[in-house]
Amino acid sequence: EIVLTQSPGTLSLSPGERATLTCRASQSVGSNFLAWHQHKPGQAPRLLFYGASSRATGIPDRFSASGSGTDFTLTINRLEPEDFAVYYCQQYGSSPFTFGPGTKVEIK
Amino acid sequence: QVQLVQSGAEVKTPGSSLKVSCKASGGIFRNHINWVRQAPGQGLEWMGRIIPILGKGDYAQKFQGRFTFTADKSTNTAYLELSSLRSEDTALYLCATDISGYIYWGQGTQVTVSS
Repeated sequence: EIVLTQSPGTLSLSPGERATLTCRASQSVGSNFLAWHQHKPGQAPRLLFYGASSRATGIPDRFSASGSGTDFTLTINRLEPEDFAVYYCQQYGSSPFTFGPGTKVEIK
Repeated sequence: QVQLVQSGAEVKTPGSSLKVSCKASGGIFRNHINWVRQAPGQGLEWMGRIIPILGKGDYAQKFQGRFTFTADKSTNTAYLELSSLRSEDTALYLCATDISGYIYWGQGTQVTVSS
């Protein structure tokens, strides 16, 4: 099973600042099938990126993602109020598909 | 247009059973349907998946036993069956699929187990 570790656990920032989130896999993610999701309470997750760095439909370009193998990064430039949420990475290259524990981006 | 539509919120008593549905549209039923759980205050957990055309389930170890994935190809609907419900099954249950790596989510079904 691929274990995903996300850091930091919580990120306290102000609107307009940059957020950098990392996701590390215990082994290489097959075909770079690594996704980033934004999740707010009571809602379905929102896909941000798939295939490690392909932006999903409708995602603003202040969001960017990169990485391959075992190390992945999600960057949010110029945080907007609606960006404060929990962010999960997920690998879906090999079963069992796994999620990281999440990074909470909160308003400072 | 790819879409997953789940059944509505449920309140159940301990020991009862439940079936959550996930109806697929947009020609995606040949892909596997994943089930994901979020318990209160916890993160997202992958429960497993089913390939509807094969009817075969692939379960995460934690979810083997009381959880069953089924699918009805005639209605393009996948089901998550939960038996012997416990209070700790209270959670948001989500279905999802991916097409060429792009992940689509259902809207989620809130399940509350309480006496």
